[in-house]
Amino acid sequence: AQTVTQSQPEMSVQEAETVTLSCTYDTSESNYYLFWYKQPPSRQMILVIRQEAYKQQNATENRFSVNFQKAAKSFSLKISDSQLGDTAMYFCAFINAGNMLTFGGGTRLMVKP
Amino acid sequence: NAGVMQNPRHLVRRRGQEARLRCSPMKGHSHVYWYRQLPEEGLKFMVYLQKENIIDESGMPKERFSAEFPKEGPSILRIQQVVRGDSAAYFCASSRGQGVLGTEAFFGQGTRLTVV
Repeated sequence: AQTVTQSQPEMSVQEAETVTLSCTYDTSESNYYLFWYKQPPSRQMILVIRQEAYKQQNATENRFSVNFQKAAKSFSLKISDSQLGDTAMYFCAFINAGNMLTFGGGTRLMVKP
Repeated sequence: NAGVMQNPRHLVRRRGQEARLRCSPMKGHSHVYWYRQLPEEGLKFMVYLQKENIIDESGMPKERFSAEFPKEGPSILRIQQVVRGDSAAYFCASSRGQGVLGTEAFFGQGTRLTVV
């Protein structure tokens, strides 16, 4: 079974600065996807970014980018130029070829003005 | 193309009653996941279903909880004889689940169950 670990329960960052959220996972499989989801106070789960394990290039979506280290089983999320609207819970998730979707425990991010 | 639809958004039940939560996946999606989120906590996996099959129910409590995803109609998460500890937000997600391209999961807005 795979596990996903987010070691930072809470983080804060000043508006316009950069913050990195950590995620590690454990799996014996070679083909899988990794995701970061955002859950704002509205509680809607929003996909932020995804990474395919067979791609070495790190995924980027506007101000969001990942640092994917496959050998280390690490998948961190970097948010640049943080905005107040980035305040939310962030969940790292993993899905394998068997379509089993597993989430980490989440990191609560607070962007301060 | 409508997203994942969950209803009701809010459900209040008295202790001992039954709660039925519905999830209509996105069009073309045949895989459904149910998660429970307690206040200030993360998403806990409950069950993974494909049409007419339960693939993994390792996160489901052994008693009172059941789930189905029939050939026609929405997926149903059923909680019998609810207790206060069942109060939580229940999220449904769906995916195509076919090969590498199909693995992105889309979430519904959740059902907030309150047991009084």
